[in-house]
Amino acid sequence: QKEVEQNSGPLSVPEGAIASLNCTYSDRGSQSFFWYRQYSGKSPELIMFIYSNGDKEDGRFTAQLNKASQYVSLLIRDSQPSDSATYLCAVSDSGTYKYIFGTGTRLKVLA
Amino acid sequence: NAGVMQNPRHLVRRRGQEARLRCSPMKGHSHVYWYRQLPEEGLKFMVYLQKENIIDESGMPKERFSAEFPKEGPSILRIQQVVRGDSAAYFCASSLQGAGQGVNEQFFGPGTRLTVL
Repeated sequence: QKEVEQNSGPLSVPEGAIASLNCTYSDRGSQSFFWYRQYSGKSPELIMFIYSNGDKEDGRFTAQLNKASQYVSLLIRDSQPSDSATYLCAVSDSGTYKYIFGTGTRLKVLA
Repeated sequence: NAGVMQNPRHLVRRRGQEARLRCSPMKGHSHVYWYRQLPEEGLKFMVYLQKENIIDESGMPKERFSAEFPKEGPSILRIQQVVRGDSAAYFCASSLQGAGQGVNEQFFGPGTRLTVL
């Protein structure tokens, strides 16, 4: 059974700080990794994806991937109260199309 | 609106009735995926369809659930004889690329919240 695990939180950080969200996955064959943000009662919104080891930056967001450790993370710099949401990690194998989602980490950015 | 569209946004059914959920993918996307999200849980894959074909329905319950994506019109997720346990948010996503075609970014619609009384 392929699994994706996230700490459910809540993770509380002060405004302006760096929020660090983590995700581990069980399937070594996984190739693509996605971070989604979901506000309460809303649909998931794609933030970014990563498929190569290392860091990928997009604005205030940085995704980090370590395939050897089966670990992917999302850093949010200069956190804002509007970043308060649940962050979902999703993993996809390149040979398939299915996303396996973690249960999400709830982030609270305190003003 | 070039995004994924779903309707209705909210659907209330009594036990034993049928629920029909519709999804129109983003313009140019021919790959559609349905997910279910129970309260306080993650998204669970249900089915993957391309035009007129079901590619993978391994996440669909064996009974009462069916999906289609006809040549013309939206994709439909149909739940027959609904039970209270079917109450959930049902999300549709679409992608430009499919299996084996590289990174298949999936974009989600607003979802249909089904409540079974």
